[in-house]
Amino acid sequence: GQNIDQPTEMTATEGAIVQINCTYQTSGFNGLFWYQQHAGEAPTFLSYNVLDGLEEKGRFSSFLSRSKGYSYLLLKELQMKDSASYLCAVRGGGNKLTFGTGTQLKVEL
Amino acid sequence: GAGVSQSPSNKVTEKGKDVELRCDPISGHTALYWYRQSLGQGLEFLIYFQGNSAPDKSGLPSDRFSAERTGGSVSTLTIQRTQQEDSAVYLCASSSNGLNTEAFFGQGTRLTVV
Repeated sequence: GQNIDQPTEMTATEGAIVQINCTYQTSGFNGLFWYQQHAGEAPTFLSYNVLDGLEEKGRFSSFLSRSKGYSYLLLKELQMKDSASYLCAVRGGGNKLTFGTGTQLKVEL
Repeated sequence: GAGVSQSPSNKVTEKGKDVELRCDPISGHTALYWYRQSLGQGLEFLIYFQGNSAPDKSGLPSDRFSAERTGGSVSTLTIQRTQQEDSAVYLCASSSNGLNTEAFFGQGTRLTVV
């Protein structure tokens, strides 16, 4: 089976940097995804990692360590619009995509 | 189509009635996923399809829930004898094959059982 853990809530200040961690245990691994979900909306894709290391995309970066079953999403230069839920998802054996419960990020002035 | 389309967007039904939720994936996407999301919660996996077959149905909460996919395209999630605890947003996503292919979500169907 698959088990994905992430913190429930985080608070950060506008302009700062925040790191959202995700740990996972899966049977089979075919990549890890991060999604952003604003209240009342569908999740939207942010990043993908399948090899160890850091992937950078503008203000967002995502890191993966397969041996540790660990990933993080790094958000720089936080803006108020970044207040949302951030979902870690793992594609396991076959094509099954399983999500964690999400981290609700609140950005304050 | 241009994106994943779900219908209806909202459904209010009486307890005990059956409902059908429809998902029209992006054209050519072979994988299709159904999730359920209760208010303030994460995405609960229900079932996924690879083509017309469902390799993993383990997330379906009870035998009142079923899903099918025909022609490798449209999928229908059916809930029989609905209960109040079935109230949630039902999200559908699709993706093409290949490792670094993200899943695209529809806007969901908000189901309310009264």
